[in-house]
Amino acid sequence: GENVEQHPSTLSVQEGDSAVIKCTYSDSASNYFPWYKQELGKGPQLIIDIRSNVGEKKDQRIAVTLNKTAKHFSLHITETQPEDSAVYFCAASRNSGGSNYKLTFGKGTLLTVNP
Amino acid sequence: NAGVTQTPKFQVLKTGQSMTLQCAQDMNHNSMYWYRQDPGMGLRLIYYSASEGTTDKGEVPNGYNVSRLNKREFSLRLESAAPSQTSVYFCASRAGGPRETQYFGPGTRLLVL
Repeated sequence: GENVEQHPSTLSVQEGDSAVIKCTYSDSASNYFPWYKQELGKGPQLIIDIRSNVGEKKDQRIAVTLNKTAKHFSLHITETQPEDSAVYFCAASRNSGGSNYKLTFGKGTLLTVNP
Repeated sequence: NAGVTQTPKFQVLKTGQSMTLQCAQDMNHNSMYWYRQDPGMGLRLIYYSASEGTTDKGEVPNGYNVSRLNKREFSLRLESAAPSQTSVYFCASRAGGPRETQYFGPGTRLLVL
């Protein structure tokens, strides 16, 4: 099955700096890669996703890049703010449109943005 | 529109006790999922239901059972709780087909003594 590795496990940055979180996946057939943000005491919330036919996607201060050849994808947060502090999870799946669609998650990155 | 709701928010059990975690979604989604989250382990899939009337095992199904009661509700049952089942449990739902986004509930924190 799919295996997703996520690094680093913890990341501390100063407010205004950029943060980068990296993930690798094992199944070359995976074609959907979401990123979730989990604030303390809450459930994960989707912040951005990318499909395998796209190399990069941006949404304001957040961007995701995908390298299918190397089987890795990254989350980039620019101009970090204290409210960006949370645990971030990457995930991967193979969606063939069938019923057995499942996400495999990385183990998470605790991002701390220091004022 | 409440999205995905879970009850209870927190529960303490003694080893050997049973309980059912409830999950409901009001988004008319076809697929529903149960995950557990442990420190340093990320989110691991316990069971899922691709559509009403079907359920399948995920990565860590041992010690759990599920019921897809109807399209809205998907429950997770622990028949004989063990300390290893101390965790935070999340329910999620997805519209189905090509729509991949999973929406998560707020979680149930379970402590088994």
